[in-house]
Amino acid sequence: GAVVSQHPSWVICKSGTSVKIECRSLDFQATTMFWYRQFPKQSLMLMATSNEGSKATYEQGVEKDKFLINHASLTLSTLTVTSAHPEDSSFYICSAEKNSPKNIQYFGAGTRLSVL
Amino acid sequence: AQKITQTQPGMFVQEKEAVTLDCTYDTSDQSYGLFWYKQPSSGEMIFLIYQGSYDEQNATEGRYSLNFQKARKSANLVISASQLGDSAMYFCAMREAAMEYGNKLVFGAGTILRVKS
Repeated sequence: GAVVSQHPSWVICKSGTSVKIECRSLDFQATTMFWYRQFPKQSLMLMATSNEGSKATYEQGVEKDKFLINHASLTLSTLTVTSAHPEDSSFYICSAEKNSPKNIQYFGAGTRLSVL
Repeated sequence: AQKITQTQPGMFVQEKEAVTLDCTYDTSDQSYGLFWYKQPSSGEMIFLIYQGSYDEQNATEGRYSLNFQKARKSANLVISASQLGDSAMYFCAMREAAMEYGNKLVFGAGTILRVKS
């Protein structure tokens, strides 16, 4: 199997605070993990590619100082939304790439962030 | 231009019947991969099926099969014997130029499937 755990599943925070979301691959090692954002009734939008031991690669238009990504081990990547504001409220979902044999991305269950 | 096109915003199917969800793609790469994911209302993304561009046979996984027509650049998902639990959003996705790791996916807009009892 290929299980990816994402925590928390739901978080409410006050404007100006920071929120950390964890993404763990439970039964395989992932050199690369991905972070997506999804607005209601829309497709997934890639925010950044997280590589173990190196800096993340951010997509155009995504503020790297706003969305801090750390991939400190082959099984854990974290996304920190710094100084969150109501416009950051969204569904964030991560995936981990299982290299063998087909480089399939397996997804976490997602995190619903509400910023008050 | 859209890389992945899903032309059906929504589909209905009667329980126990088969349904086809359309997906066309655009790429100039010779080596690419095509994926289908299911997203229930809970939000998780569930991997369903994969087709490599060099695979000669259509991929199958249980009740899911992928109708891969390379010349037409289509990769339709066929769900046989629909069940109520199949009601969800379905996304088609493509990966171009496979590297050892770090392969991005491009997703289509999705198709909402509703299974009627």
